[in-house]
Amino acid sequence: AQKVTQAQTEISVVEKEDVTLDCVYETRDTTYYLFWYKQPPSGELVFLIRRNSFDEQNEISGRYSWNFQKSTSSFNFTITASQVVDSAVYFCALSGGAFSGGYNKLIFGAGTRLAVHP
Amino acid sequence: DTGVSQDPRHKITKRGQNVTFRCDPISEHNRLYWYRQTLGQGPEFLTYFQNEAQLEKSRLLSDRFSAERPKGSFSTLEIQRTEQGDSAMYLCASSGGTGGNSPLHFGNGTRLTVT
Repeated sequence: AQKVTQAQTEISVVEKEDVTLDCVYETRDTTYYLFWYKQPPSGELVFLIRRNSFDEQNEISGRYSWNFQKSTSSFNFTITASQVVDSAVYFCALSGGAFSGGYNKLIFGAGTRLAVHP
Repeated sequence: DTGVSQDPRHKITKRGQNVTFRCDPISEHNRLYWYRQTLGQGPEFLTYFQNEAQLEKSRLLSDRFSAERPKGSFSTLEIQRTEQGDSAMYLCASSGGTGGNSPLHFGNGTRLTVT
């Protein structure tokens, strides 16, 4: 089955702490894409990053970094020096070929709610 | 780029009534998607359009659900004979480019409550 698992339902940290959000995926496709989205209280999902299955290089964007490891089917997201504005629900998602329902369909995890306290 | 807009933001209806939601995608985007999100869960795919053609529908989209995208611009999602289980956030998204893996741009959603 194609699925995305975000085992951490809620995480609470104090501002300036580093925090890692875990994402484990399952797919039988050899070509697939992984995404992270942020959903603030306003409800709108905001795209953060897309990774294809052939690119395992880690990526850093400001305080955000992503670690993609095919060997463990994981695509983890780290926020360095967290801020109150980072408080949101974060979703990991997968799109793939025939086994995943096609590239036009995102399979989302259940999300991790991050609360950053001052 | 004014983003994806959805109307209304909230809808409360009684069981058995019909409701219709509207989505205006980013103007140059040819793909439009509908997702449904229940409390504590990630969004689930419902359907998508490329221009005016509805190319895929999820099994979640029962016969009571219908979506249209006339002229490949805005889209409507109608739910007939609503049931309490239809209560959810309905999210619209659009994307450009030729690849289905292009990032989706989501609207703020329409929250439906069926009483």
